Amino acid sequence: GAVVSQHPSRVICKSGTSVKIECRSLDFQATTMFWYRQFPKQSLMLMATSNEGSKATYEQGVEKDKFLINHASLTLSTLTVTSAHPEDSSFYICSASWSGRYNEQFFGPGTRLTVL
Amino acid sequence: AQSVTQLDSHVSVSEGTPVLLRCNYSSSYSPSLFWYVQHPNKGLQLLLKYTSAATLVKGINGFEAEFKKSETSFHLTKPSAHMSDAAEYFCVVSDRGRSGYSTLTFGKGTMLLVSP
Repeated sequence: GAVVSQHPSRVICKSGTSVKIECRSLDFQATTMFWYRQFPKQSLMLMATSNEGSKATYEQGVEKDKFLINHASLTLSTLTVTSAHPEDSSFYICSASWSGRYNEQFFGPGTRLTVL
Repeated sequence: AQSVTQLDSHVSVSEGTPVLLRCNYSSSYSPSLFWYVQHPNKGLQLLLKYTSAATLVKGINGFEAEFKKSETSFHLTKPSAHMSDAAEYFCVVSDRGRSGYSTLTFGKGTMLLVSP
């Protein structure tokens, strides 16, 4: 149980385009979802926390107009990288938790974004 | 604010020998602590977690960790390394972030290399 999927697993796009990444909890209702960014050979950095039906809370230094997060249902959150540039190239990982398990997060397999 | 320090960026062992990955944390609260493993270009898998129950925590694949409050440590050990253990390991502490919900603070990671 507690499986989280991400789609796509890998995406390559041109500079200036927007890219949407989906995060789904497959077998549970995720009251809270988290988006992380991981640069090569570095640790995960939390970008934002989102709760179903409300606005996401962004970490300091993360541009909310650049990284649009929508958590429209208890099983789906999306991250849209708007007007992507090469410096946005990274590994994006989502995770999900539910109200009874605040401390534990279940991670998706990640999405590798390459902006040319 | 909470933080995690993984003392070694790389650890090299021979197959069949013990593994020790070191982690120290700082926390203002009673922390929850986790170890996650990440294989190349993959998401994170939970190895084990400490949530104020028994201080010696057993996880998957023969790993275990001991919570030592006096030393603020949560080192990960395994008696005998296997080739398949080669991966990046992250020590993580649970925090209450800007969103008001528990968020995870990651250490920088330790790459475990296992030689035949």
